Amino acid sequence: AQKITQTQPGMFVQEKEAVTLDCTYDTSDPSYGLFWYKQPSSGEMIFLIYQGSYDQQNATEGRYSLNFQKARKSANLVISASQLGDSAMYFCAMREALFMKDRDDKIIFGKGTRLHILP
Amino acid sequence: NAGVTQTPKFRILKIGQSMTLQCTQDMNHNYMYWYRQDPGMGLKLIYYSVGAGITDKGEVPNGYNVSRSTTEDFPLRLELAAPSQTSVYFCASSYSMDGDSSYNSPLHFGNGTRLTVT
Repeated sequence: AQKITQTQPGMFVQEKEAVTLDCTYDTSDPSYGLFWYKQPSSGEMIFLIYQGSYDQQNATEGRYSLNFQKARKSANLVISASQLGDSAMYFCAMREALFMKDRDDKIIFGKGTRLHILP
Repeated sequence: NAGVTQTPKFRILKIGQSMTLQCTQDMNHNYMYWYRQDPGMGLKLIYYSVGAGITDKGEVPNGYNVSRSTTEDFPLRLELAAPSQTSVYFCASSYSMDGDSSYNSPLHFGNGTRLTVT
Protein backbone atom coordinates (compact mmCIF):
# COMPACT_ATOMS: atom_id res chain seq x y z
CA ALA A 1 0.00 0.00 0.00
CA GLN A 2 1.24 3.46 -0.86
CA LYS A 3 2.35 5.25 2.26
CA ILE A 4 2.87 8.75 0.93
CA THR A 5 0.30 10.34 -1.36
CA GLN A 6 0.73 13.60 -3.18
CA THR A 7 -2.47 14.17 -5.12
CA GLN A 8 -1.42 17.24 -7.11
CA PRO A 9 0.78 16.27 -10.07
CA GLY A 10 1.10 19.92 -11.07
CA MET A 11 0.12 23.37 -9.84
CA PHE A 12 0.21 26.84 -11.32
CA VAL A 13 0.34 29.76 -8.88
CA GLN A 14 0.68 33.47 -9.39
CA GLU A 15 3.85 35.04 -8.02
CA LYS A 16 3.54 36.44 -4.47
CA GLU A 17 0.56 34.24 -3.69
CA ALA A 18 0.71 31.58 -0.98
CA VAL A 19 0.63 27.96 -2.11
CA THR A 20 -0.23 24.74 -0.31
CA LEU A 21 1.16 21.42 -1.49
CA ASP A 22 -0.75 18.41 -0.20
CA CYS A 23 0.74 15.31 1.39
CA THR A 24 -1.06 12.50 3.17
CA TYR A 25 0.63 9.52 4.75
CA ASP A 26 -0.16 6.18 6.26
CA THR A 27 1.61 4.59 9.20
CA SER A 28 0.85 2.58 12.32
CA ASP A 29 4.09 3.66 13.99
CA PRO A 30 3.56 6.37 16.64
CA SER A 31 7.09 7.68 16.05
CA TYR A 32 7.88 9.05 12.63
CA GLY A 33 9.28 12.02 10.79
CA LEU A 34 7.92 13.82 7.76
CA PHE A 35 10.11 15.73 5.32
CA TRP A 36 9.74 17.99 2.32
CA TYR A 37 12.33 18.28 -0.41
CA LYS A 38 12.61 20.65 -3.35
CA GLN A 39 14.06 19.54 -6.68
CA PRO A 40 14.68 22.45 -9.08
CA SER A 41 15.24 21.91 -12.78
CA SER A 42 18.96 21.57 -12.10
CA GLY A 43 18.16 18.25 -10.44
CA GLU A 44 19.58 18.42 -6.92
CA MET A 45 17.46 17.46 -3.93
CA ILE A 46 17.19 20.24 -1.35
CA PHE A 47 15.91 19.55 2.15
CA LEU A 48 13.31 22.15 3.17
CA ILE A 49 11.58 21.22 6.41
CA TYR A 50 10.67 18.36 8.72
CA GLN A 51 7.98 17.59 11.26
CA GLY A 52 8.27 15.00 14.01
CA SER A 53 5.22 13.02 15.02
CA TYR A 54 5.46 14.24 18.60
CA ASP A 55 6.01 17.87 17.75
CA GLN A 56 3.27 20.00 19.26
CA GLN A 57 3.75 22.92 16.91
CA ASN A 58 3.86 23.11 13.16
CA ALA A 59 7.38 23.38 11.79
CA THR A 60 8.48 26.61 10.10
CA GLU A 61 11.59 27.51 8.12
CA GLY A 62 11.53 30.99 6.66
CA ARG A 63 8.79 31.11 4.02
CA TYR A 64 8.10 27.40 4.44
CA SER A 65 5.71 26.01 7.01
CA LEU A 66 4.26 22.58 7.49
CA ASN A 67 0.55 22.26 8.24
CA PHE A 68 0.63 19.07 10.33
CA GLN A 69 -2.73 17.48 11.06
CA LYS A 70 -1.89 14.26 12.82
CA ALA A 71 -5.40 12.86 13.14
CA ARG A 72 -5.95 13.32 9.41
CA LYS A 73 -2.44 12.04 8.63
CA SER A 74 -1.65 15.05 6.51
CA ALA A 75 1.51 17.14 6.31
CA ASN A 76 0.93 19.89 3.80
CA LEU A 77 3.71 22.27 2.80
CA VAL A 78 2.80 25.95 2.75
CA ILE A 79 4.96 28.42 0.86
CA SER A 80 4.17 32.02 1.66
CA ALA A 81 4.70 34.86 -0.81
CA SER A 82 5.78 32.58 -3.65
CA GLN A 83 8.71 33.57 -5.85
CA LEU A 84 9.70 32.59 -9.38
CA GLY A 85 12.57 30.60 -7.89
CA ASP A 86 10.08 28.38 -6.10
CA SER A 87 9.21 26.74 -9.43
CA ALA A 88 10.36 23.15 -8.90
CA MET A 89 9.31 19.62 -8.08
CA TYR A 90 8.41 19.07 -4.42
CA PHE A 91 8.55 15.72 -2.67
CA CYS A 92 7.06 14.64 0.62
CA ALA A 93 8.80 11.82 2.49
CA MET A 94 8.32 9.79 5.66
CA ARG A 95 10.64 7.90 7.97
CA GLU A 96 9.27 5.46 10.54
CA ALA A 97 11.05 4.73 13.81
CA LEU A 98 9.73 1.16 13.99
CA PHE A 99 11.52 0.25 10.81
CA MET A 100 14.67 1.90 12.05
CA LYS A 101 14.72 -0.25 15.19
CA ASP A 102 14.55 -3.31 12.98
CA ARG A 103 17.28 -1.84 10.80
CA ASP A 104 14.71 -1.68 8.03
CA ASP A 105 14.98 2.04 7.38
CA LYS A 106 13.07 2.48 4.16
CA ILE A 107 12.37 6.14 3.77
CA ILE A 108 9.39 6.52 1.47
CA PHE A 109 8.89 9.35 -1.00
CA GLY A 110 5.71 10.54 -2.68
CA LYS A 111 5.51 10.94 -6.43
CA GLY A 112 5.93 14.68 -6.18
CA THR A 113 4.12 17.87 -7.18
CA ARG A 114 5.48 20.11 -9.92
CA LEU A 115 4.96 23.73 -8.95
CA HIS A 116 4.98 26.49 -11.55
CA ILE A 117 5.10 30.10 -10.35
CA LEU A 118 3.69 32.52 -12.90
CA PRO A 119 5.05 36.09 -13.20
CA ASN B 1 32.67 19.93 4.38
CA ALA B 2 31.68 18.48 1.01
CA GLY B 3 28.60 16.53 2.19
CA VAL B 4 27.65 13.71 -0.19
CA THR B 5 29.74 13.45 -3.34
CA GLN B 6 28.75 11.36 -6.34
CA THR B 7 30.83 10.54 -9.38
CA PRO B 8 30.49 10.60 -12.31
CA LYS B 9 27.86 13.24 -13.04
CA PHE B 10 27.01 11.82 -16.44
CA ARG B 11 27.65 8.50 -18.13
CA ILE B 12 26.55 6.73 -21.28
CA LEU B 13 26.78 2.93 -21.29
CA LYS B 14 26.21 0.39 -24.00
CA ILE B 15 23.87 -2.50 -23.29
CA GLY B 16 25.71 -5.22 -21.41
CA GLN B 17 28.47 -3.01 -20.05
CA SER B 18 29.15 -2.65 -16.34
CA MET B 19 30.04 0.31 -14.20
CA THR B 20 30.30 1.52 -10.62
CA LEU B 21 28.69 4.69 -9.37
CA GLN B 22 30.76 6.15 -6.59
CA CYS B 23 29.35 7.80 -3.46
CA THR B 24 31.22 9.17 -0.50
CA GLN B 25 30.15 11.28 2.46
CA ASP B 26 32.21 13.17 5.01
CA MET B 27 29.53 13.74 7.65
CA ASN B 28 30.17 10.49 9.54
CA HIS B 29 26.63 9.37 8.80
CA ASN B 30 25.97 5.73 9.49
CA TYR B 31 23.03 5.31 7.09
CA MET B 32 23.45 5.52 3.34
CA TYR B 33 21.03 4.99 0.45
CA TRP B 34 20.82 4.66 -3.30
CA TYR B 35 17.73 5.90 -5.11
CA ARG B 36 16.85 6.08 -8.77
CA GLN B 37 14.58 8.66 -10.32
CA ASP B 38 13.04 7.99 -13.69
CA PRO B 39 11.95 10.98 -15.79
CA GLY B 40 9.02 12.84 -14.23
CA MET B 41 8.77 10.35 -11.40
CA GLY B 42 9.56 10.10 -7.71
CA LEU B 43 12.45 8.30 -6.06
CA LYS B 44 12.65 4.56 -5.72
CA LEU B 45 14.99 2.95 -3.18
CA ILE B 46 17.50 0.54 -4.70
CA TYR B 47 19.69 -0.43 -1.73
CA TYR B 48 20.52 1.00 1.65
CA SER B 49 23.04 0.44 4.41
CA VAL B 50 22.73 1.03 8.13
CA GLY B 51 26.45 0.77 8.73
CA ALA B 52 29.73 -0.59 7.42
CA GLY B 53 29.39 -4.23 6.41
CA ILE B 54 25.57 -4.16 6.36
CA THR B 55 23.45 -3.70 3.25
CA ASP B 56 19.80 -4.37 2.48
CA LYS B 57 17.60 -4.40 -0.59
CA GLY B 58 15.15 -1.64 -1.26
CA GLU B 59 12.22 -1.51 -3.65
CA VAL B 60 14.07 -2.07 -6.95
CA PRO B 61 17.36 -3.95 -6.32
CA ASN B 62 17.44 -6.19 -9.41
CA GLY B 63 20.40 -5.50 -11.67
CA TYR B 64 22.40 -3.72 -8.97
CA ASN B 65 24.86 -4.58 -6.25
CA VAL B 66 26.32 -2.57 -3.40
CA SER B 67 29.02 -2.85 -0.78
CA ARG B 68 29.81 -0.86 2.34
CA SER B 69 33.34 -1.51 3.49
CA THR B 70 33.74 1.88 5.18
CA THR B 71 31.43 4.42 6.80
CA GLU B 72 32.25 6.96 4.12
CA ASP B 73 31.80 5.01 0.89
CA PHE B 74 28.78 3.26 -0.63
CA PRO B 75 29.38 2.36 -4.29
CA LEU B 76 26.60 1.07 -6.54
CA ARG B 77 27.52 -1.53 -9.15
CA LEU B 78 25.56 -2.06 -12.35
CA GLU B 79 26.21 -5.41 -14.01
CA LEU B 80 25.07 -6.02 -17.60
CA ALA B 81 23.48 -2.61 -18.11
CA ALA B 82 20.02 -2.55 -19.69
CA PRO B 83 18.01 0.33 -21.22
CA SER B 84 15.59 0.04 -18.26
CA GLN B 85 18.42 1.29 -16.04
CA THR B 86 18.48 4.65 -17.79
CA SER B 87 17.76 6.99 -14.92
CA VAL B 88 19.16 9.56 -12.52
CA TYR B 89 20.81 7.95 -9.52
CA PHE B 90 20.98 9.68 -6.16
CA CYS B 91 23.08 8.70 -3.21
CA ALA B 92 22.02 9.97 0.22
CA SER B 93 23.11 9.68 3.81
CA SER B 94 21.69 10.38 7.23
CA TYR B 95 22.50 10.03 10.87
CA SER B 96 20.55 7.54 12.94
CA MET B 97 21.02 6.02 16.36
CA ASP B 98 18.93 3.31 17.96
CA GLY B 99 16.85 4.50 20.84
CA ASP B 100 16.64 8.17 20.09
CA SER B 101 14.51 10.35 17.88
CA SER B 102 16.81 10.30 14.92
CA TYR B 103 13.92 9.32 12.67
CA ASN B 104 13.77 13.10 12.35
CA SER B 105 17.17 13.19 10.71
CA PRO B 106 16.81 14.29 7.10
CA LEU B 107 18.52 12.67 4.17
CA HIS B 108 21.41 14.57 2.65
CA PHE B 109 21.60 13.97 -1.08
CA GLY B 110 24.40 14.03 -3.58
CA ASN B 111 23.89 15.88 -6.85
CA GLY B 112 23.04 12.76 -8.79
CA THR B 113 24.45 10.72 -11.67
CA ARG B 114 22.60 10.84 -14.97
CA LEU B 115 23.00 7.45 -16.64
CA THR B 116 21.92 6.56 -20.17
CA VAL B 117 22.05 2.98 -21.44
CA THR B 118 21.80 2.60 -25.21
